[in-house]
This record gives sequence, structure tokens and C-alpha cells, in this order.
Amino acid sequence: DAGITQSPRHKVTETGTPVTLRCHQTENHRYMYWYRQDPGHGLRLIHYSYGVKDTDKGEVSDGYSVSRSKTEDFLLTLESATSSQTSVYFCAVGLAGGSYEQYFGPGTRLTVT
Amino acid sequence: KQEVTQIPAALSVPEGENLVLNCSFTDSAIYNLQWFRQDPGKGLTSLLLIQSSQREQTSGRLNASLDKSSGRSTLYIAASQPGDSATYLCAVTFTTSGTYKYIFGTGTRLKVLA
Repeated sequence: DAGITQSPRHKVTETGTPVTLRCHQTENHRYMYWYRQDPGHGLRLIHYSYGVKDTDKGEVSDGYSVSRSKTEDFLLTLESATSSQTSVYFCAVGLAGGSYEQYFGPGTRLTVT
Repeated sequence: KQEVTQIPAALSVPEGENLVLNCSFTDSAIYNLQWFRQDPGKGLTSLLLIQSSQREQTSGRLNASLDKSSGRSTLYIAASQPGDSATYLCAVTFTTSGTYKYIFGTGTRLKVLA
């Protein structure tokens, strides 16, 4: 257990509204990741962070932004939610030492109506 | 393009059977490969991690092998139980010119029948 929590766990929002999802970890891991999981596409990387204030884009970053002001928190923001962003969002942490082994949070189910 | 494929997408077996799940990848320049289990509506649970220099890893009834030259990994589950029913995902860390890219397969949904 890598001590990862995500909030909220479920959210329903309307098209055009901003949404922020939070990932919190308790074990001081350097690497943190945001994924989305959709039927037929598997998990796809949105953004990742390799340290405080150090972030980079993944393969499906359009429409999303991230911030990491503290080691323990990684925020994912949908600037203006669209129905195509209805998905399950997972946060993950990468273990120390650069092994690239990842451990996942419980997920957030987001519905954009 | 670097891709990870898992076939079949779904599999049903009777309890007690030994079974093999497959994961194929298109580029042999990998850093490691990780197998996960996902129960419906839940997050991913890490099962096994194989580094590129390793041939296999074992944990209890699970054994994962890696053959980089053929671009394949298999997850062997011995004496399957209904509690093994879940979706099994593999994820590959590809390395290219000093950068790393983590790509998931779409998973195999396993059902073990009592």
C-alpha cells in the first residue's frame, strides 16, 4: 500500500464547469501520475510529475492541467469540462529509485453531463 | 509505434485449472514490465514487476515470465480459484533515447467458474 488517496471519489458536473481532482500520498514518492481509463482504450497517461513544480504532458493532455506545489499532493484540473472527459481517473505514484514501478489510488469516477 | 497487446480480451475457466495470460509488446527496448489486477469498480493492484534483466518473477500461485527478444510476457496462475476473477493488465516501461514511456495493455478479463 503506497498510501494514496483520491478525492472526490465520485463527481457529477455540467459541461463547461471547471473541475479539480486531488491525489494525496503519504510516503514522499517523487513521481506522481494521472491516468484516465475508458472502455476500449485501457489506461492512458494524462500528465505526470517528477518533483515539486516539475510536471510534463502524457499522451492525452489536451483539456487538462496539473499542479504540484507539495510533494504529497498532485492536482488535476479540467479547465472547462466536456462530455468526452467522462471517465475514471486514477492517480499513481512511482516508487523511489527510478524503478518505474507504479502503485495506484482507488480512482475517481467523473461524469460530465 | 510502441504498443502493448493482451489477447484474449476475456477468458472463462473452471476452478482448479492452471492458466496463462499473455502480454505482447512491439519494442524490445523496455525497462520493465508490471502485471496488475483490477477488480470491477476498483483501482489497480500491483502483482509482479519484472526488470528487463530478469526472466521471471514469482509470488505465491503467480509466475510472470519475460522474453524481450520475442516481445512477450506471460502471467501463469496455478490452481485458479473464483477469487482470481478480475481483469489482469500488463504495463510496459519503454525506453527511448533516455526517456521512459509507460504503456498499458487493455487487459484480459478472467472469470473462474466454481
